[in-house]
Amino acid sequence: KAGVTQTPRYLIKTRGQQVTLSCSPISGHRSVSWYQQTPGQGLQFLFEYFSETQRNKGNFPGRFSGRQFSNSRSEMNVSTLELGDSALYLCASSLGGTSDGELFFGEGSRLTVL
Amino acid sequence: GENVEQHPSTLSVQEGDSAVIKCTYSDSASNYFPWYKQELGKRPQLIIDIRSNVGEKKDQRIAVTLNKTAKHFSLHITETQPEDSAVYFCAANSNDYKLSFGAGTTVTVRA
Repeated sequence: KAGVTQTPRYLIKTRGQQVTLSCSPISGHRSVSWYQQTPGQGLQFLFEYFSETQRNKGNFPGRFSGRQFSNSRSEMNVSTLELGDSALYLCASSLGGTSDGELFFGEGSRLTVL
Repeated sequence: GENVEQHPSTLSVQEGDSAVIKCTYSDSASNYFPWYKQELGKRPQLIIDIRSNVGEKKDQRIAVTLNKTAKHFSLHITETQPEDSAVYFCAANSNDYKLSFGAGTTVTVRA
Protein backbone atom coordinates (compact mmCIF):
# COMPACT_ATOMS: atom_id res chain seq x y z
CA LYS A 1 0.00 0.00 0.00
CA ALA A 2 1.08 3.59 -0.54
CA GLY A 3 3.18 5.24 2.13
CA VAL A 4 2.88 8.66 3.70
CA THR A 5 3.08 11.42 1.12
CA GLN A 6 4.16 14.98 1.86
CA THR A 7 3.99 17.96 -0.46
CA PRO A 8 5.78 20.06 -1.41
CA ARG A 9 9.14 18.41 -0.88
CA TYR A 10 11.14 21.62 -1.03
CA LEU A 11 10.17 25.25 -0.74
CA ILE A 12 11.80 28.61 -0.22
CA LYS A 13 10.02 31.50 1.45
CA THR A 14 10.99 34.89 2.79
CA ARG A 15 10.50 36.25 6.28
CA GLY A 16 6.96 37.32 7.01
CA GLN A 17 5.35 35.02 4.47
CA GLN A 18 3.21 32.05 5.34
CA VAL A 19 3.41 28.45 4.20
CA THR A 20 1.07 25.46 4.04
CA LEU A 21 2.36 21.90 4.02
CA SER A 22 0.30 18.84 3.20
CA CYS A 23 0.42 15.25 4.43
CA SER A 24 -1.52 12.26 3.11
CA PRO A 25 -1.41 9.35 5.57
CA ILE A 26 -1.44 5.65 4.89
CA SER A 27 -4.94 4.51 4.02
CA GLY A 28 -6.82 3.56 7.17
CA HIS A 29 -4.59 5.54 9.52
CA ARG A 30 -6.54 8.09 11.51
CA SER A 31 -3.68 9.74 13.39
CA VAL A 32 -1.35 12.26 11.80
CA SER A 33 1.40 13.95 13.75
CA TRP A 34 3.85 16.65 12.72
CA TYR A 35 7.49 17.15 13.70
CA GLN A 36 10.12 19.78 13.11
CA GLN A 37 13.62 18.42 12.51
CA THR A 38 16.68 20.63 12.77
CA PRO A 39 20.34 19.59 13.11
CA GLY A 40 21.15 18.71 16.70
CA GLN A 41 17.57 19.14 17.92
CA GLY A 42 16.11 15.82 16.98
CA LEU A 43 12.43 15.59 16.25
CA GLN A 44 10.38 18.26 17.94
CA PHE A 45 6.68 17.43 18.26
CA LEU A 46 4.33 20.03 16.81
CA PHE A 47 0.86 18.50 17.08
CA GLU A 48 -1.23 15.40 16.51
CA TYR A 49 -4.59 15.11 14.82
CA PHE A 50 -6.93 12.18 15.19
CA SER A 51 -10.26 11.96 13.41
CA GLU A 52 -10.18 15.67 12.54
CA THR A 53 -9.51 16.76 16.15
CA GLN A 54 -6.27 18.11 17.54
CA ARG A 55 -5.42 15.61 20.23
CA ASN A 56 -2.11 17.04 21.36
CA LYS A 57 0.12 20.02 20.88
CA GLY A 58 3.83 20.64 21.41
CA ASN A 59 5.56 23.77 22.67
CA PHE A 60 5.48 25.86 19.54
CA PRO A 61 4.08 29.38 19.13
CA GLY A 62 0.62 30.00 17.79
CA ARG A 63 2.08 30.79 14.36
CA PHE A 64 2.14 27.02 13.87
CA SER A 65 -1.28 25.54 13.24
CA GLY A 66 -2.79 22.55 11.58
CA ARG A 67 -5.93 20.75 10.65
CA GLN A 68 -7.15 17.39 9.49
CA PHE A 69 -9.80 16.62 6.94
CA SER A 70 -12.42 13.90 6.89
CA ASN A 71 -10.21 11.74 4.63
CA SER A 72 -7.43 11.99 7.29
CA ARG A 73 -5.24 14.19 5.12
CA SER A 74 -3.62 16.90 7.19
CA GLU A 75 -2.16 20.32 6.60
CA MET A 76 0.06 22.47 8.74
CA ASN A 77 0.43 26.19 8.36
CA VAL A 78 3.14 28.51 9.54
CA SER A 79 2.36 32.20 9.45
CA THR A 80 4.74 35.17 9.67
CA LEU A 81 7.76 33.04 8.88
CA GLU A 82 11.02 33.62 10.75
CA LEU A 83 14.54 32.58 9.80
CA GLY A 84 14.50 30.02 12.62
CA ASP A 85 11.59 28.20 11.01
CA SER A 86 13.95 26.78 8.39
CA ALA A 87 13.80 23.04 8.96
CA LEU A 88 12.63 19.70 7.69
CA TYR A 89 8.98 19.19 8.57
CA LEU A 90 8.00 15.57 8.89
CA CYS A 91 4.58 14.12 9.25
CA ALA A 92 3.82 10.63 10.46
CA SER A 93 0.71 8.53 10.40
CA SER A 94 -0.32 5.72 12.69
CA LEU A 95 -3.32 3.53 13.33
CA GLY A 96 -4.21 4.50 16.86
CA GLY A 97 -2.01 7.36 17.95
CA THR A 98 1.51 8.63 18.32
CA SER A 99 2.25 7.34 21.78
CA ASP A 100 1.95 3.55 21.65
CA GLY A 101 2.52 2.24 18.14
CA GLU A 102 4.67 2.50 15.06
CA LEU A 103 4.86 5.84 13.30
CA PHE A 104 5.16 5.83 9.53
CA PHE A 105 6.97 8.95 8.39
CA GLY A 106 6.80 10.82 5.14
CA GLU A 107 9.93 12.04 3.39
CA GLY A 108 9.39 15.54 4.71
CA SER A 109 9.02 19.06 3.42
CA ARG A 110 12.24 21.05 3.57
CA LEU A 111 11.49 24.70 4.24
CA THR A 112 14.09 27.39 3.78
CA VAL A 113 13.28 30.88 5.03
CA LEU A 114 15.39 33.71 3.62
CA GLY B 1 6.04 16.66 30.06
CA GLU B 2 8.52 13.96 29.15
CA ASN B 3 12.21 14.82 28.77
CA VAL B 4 14.37 12.33 26.86
CA GLU B 5 18.13 12.65 26.87
CA GLN B 6 20.26 10.64 24.46
CA HIS B 7 24.02 9.91 24.53
CA PRO B 8 26.36 10.02 22.80
CA SER B 9 25.53 12.51 20.08
CA THR B 10 28.06 10.91 17.73
CA LEU B 11 29.54 7.43 17.72
CA SER B 12 32.22 6.01 15.44
CA VAL B 13 32.86 2.26 15.49
CA GLN B 14 34.96 -0.17 13.52
CA GLU B 15 33.03 -2.54 11.32
CA GLY B 16 32.28 -5.70 13.28
CA ASP B 17 32.38 -3.97 16.66
CA SER B 18 29.35 -3.22 18.84
CA ALA B 19 27.59 0.10 19.28
CA VAL B 20 25.59 1.19 22.32
CA ILE B 21 23.32 4.22 22.59
CA LYS B 22 21.78 5.22 25.91
CA CYS B 23 18.68 7.24 26.71
CA THR B 24 17.12 8.47 29.92
CA TYR B 25 13.57 9.65 30.47
CA SER B 26 11.80 11.57 33.19
CA ASP B 27 8.15 10.46 33.25
CA SER B 28 7.70 7.40 35.48
CA ALA B 29 4.40 6.69 33.67
CA SER B 30 6.19 6.08 30.34
CA ASN B 31 5.53 2.58 29.04
CA TYR B 32 6.52 2.58 25.38
CA PHE B 33 10.06 3.11 24.08
CA PRO B 34 10.69 2.94 20.33
CA TRP B 35 13.91 3.41 18.40
CA TYR B 36 13.99 4.97 14.94
CA LYS B 37 16.75 4.88 12.35
CA GLN B 38 17.16 7.65 9.81
CA GLU B 39 19.60 7.10 6.97
CA LEU B 40 21.02 10.14 5.23
CA GLY B 41 18.32 11.89 3.21
CA LYS B 42 15.65 9.36 4.14
CA ARG B 43 12.69 9.18 6.47
CA PRO B 44 12.94 7.81 10.03
CA GLN B 45 11.90 4.18 10.33
CA LEU B 46 11.11 2.10 13.39
CA ILE B 47 13.75 -0.55 14.02
CA ILE B 48 12.74 -1.90 17.41
CA ASP B 49 10.54 -0.98 20.34
CA ILE B 50 10.02 -2.19 23.89
CA ARG B 51 7.19 -1.90 26.34
CA SER B 52 7.51 -1.56 30.08
CA ASN B 53 6.44 -5.11 30.85
CA VAL B 54 9.71 -6.54 29.49
CA GLY B 55 13.33 -5.78 30.25
CA GLU B 56 14.96 -6.79 26.99
CA LYS B 57 14.04 -7.43 23.38
CA LYS B 58 16.19 -8.68 20.52
CA ASP B 59 15.84 -8.72 16.76
CA GLN B 60 18.80 -10.24 14.97
CA ARG B 61 21.77 -7.88 15.54
CA ILE B 62 19.88 -5.25 17.49
CA ALA B 63 18.60 -5.36 21.05
CA VAL B 64 17.03 -2.93 23.44
CA THR B 65 17.20 -3.06 27.24
CA LEU B 66 15.00 -1.19 29.66
CA ASN B 67 15.60 -0.33 33.30
CA LYS B 68 12.39 1.22 34.63
CA THR B 69 13.78 1.81 38.09
CA ALA B 70 16.63 3.90 36.76
CA LYS B 71 14.51 5.30 33.91
CA HIS B 72 16.92 4.47 31.17
CA PHE B 73 16.94 2.30 28.07
CA SER B 74 19.65 1.40 25.60
CA LEU B 75 20.07 0.24 22.01
CA HIS B 76 22.74 -2.35 21.30
CA ILE B 77 23.94 -3.11 17.78
CA THR B 78 26.30 -6.06 17.43
CA GLU B 79 28.59 -6.94 14.52
CA THR B 80 28.12 -3.50 12.99
CA GLN B 81 28.04 -3.19 9.22
CA PRO B 82 28.38 -0.16 6.91
CA GLU B 83 24.60 -0.09 6.41
CA ASP B 84 24.20 0.58 10.14
CA SER B 85 25.60 4.08 9.56
CA ALA B 86 22.67 6.43 10.26
CA VAL B 87 21.12 8.70 12.87
CA TYR B 88 19.32 6.82 15.62
CA PHE B 89 16.56 8.37 17.73
CA CYS B 90 15.17 7.01 20.95
CA ALA B 91 11.73 8.04 22.16
CA ALA B 92 9.46 7.62 25.15
CA ASN B 93 5.76 8.22 25.57
CA SER B 94 4.15 10.07 28.44
CA ASN B 95 0.84 10.05 30.25
CA ASP B 96 -0.39 12.94 28.10
CA TYR B 97 -0.20 10.67 25.04
CA LYS B 98 2.80 12.42 23.50
CA LEU B 99 5.94 10.80 22.15
CA SER B 100 9.15 12.65 22.95
CA PHE B 101 12.32 12.01 20.98
CA GLY B 102 15.93 12.24 21.99
CA ALA B 103 18.25 14.55 20.03
CA GLY B 104 19.70 11.67 18.02
CA THR B 105 22.98 9.78 17.73
CA THR B 106 24.96 9.83 14.49
CA VAL B 107 26.56 6.42 14.09
CA THR B 108 29.42 5.97 11.63
CA VAL B 109 30.71 2.48 10.91
CA ARG B 110 34.31 2.54 9.65
CA ALA B 111 35.28 -0.11 7.14
